[in-house]
Amino acid sequence: DIQMTQSPSSLSASVGDRVTITCQASQDISNYLNWYQQKPGKAPKLLIYDASNLETGVPSRFSGSGSGTDFTFTISSLQPEDIATYYCQQYDNLASITFGQGTRLEIK
Amino acid sequence: EVQLVQSGAEVKKPGESLRISCKGSGYSFTSYWISWVRQMPGKGLEWMGRIDPSDSYTNYSPSFQGHVTISADKSISTAYLQWSSLKASDTAMYYCARLRRAFDIWGQGTMVTVSS
Repeated sequence: DIQMTQSPSSLSASVGDRVTITCQASQDISNYLNWYQQKPGKAPKLLIYDASNLETGVPSRFSGSGSGTDFTFTISSLQPEDIATYYCQQYDNLASITFGQGTRLEIK
Repeated sequence: EVQLVQSGAEVKKPGESLRISCKGSGYSFTSYWISWVRQMPGKGLEWMGRIDPSDSYTNYSPSFQGHVTISADKSISTAYLQWSSLKASDTAMYYCARLRRAFDIWGQGTMVTVSS
């Protein structure tokens, strides 16, 4: 199985800050990487698909980049409603999908 | 509206069997895979497996193979997750999600509590 190493596990930032989360795959997964946001008590929500494509309706302050084994998720200007846990997820092989461990984002 | 609606919360005893459901609407149910994802209390997301509703072909994560069964009834646009003998460690929230290249639509989750 492909392992996904996501960092940091938690992060505290101020409103307006630029926030970056990274995800590293244990082997080359091309751009088969998605990012999700999960707010407490809610189902996850797709934000970014295929490493860098913004899902319809998602604010443009969210972005993703990377390919191969190293990927980055960025919030350009943190808003109070962005408080959540964020997960990366790889699908190099749709028969074996894995998520990163998650990053809990808090307001400083 | 495209949506997945899951069955309600369950409280079961160890050793009991259980089947929870996930009904799709607003789209062609047989055109997308359905996956199940586990989230244990306070923990992250774990992919359990997927099913192609058009032919019921399934793949399981090695971590869940043999412990659960995923099935579907395309005539009623519903997927299922089933246990034959629950354990306390099965206590978790279970989500179904529509899958193509990403999980773009999620159910609201079904909380399963297993306790004696």
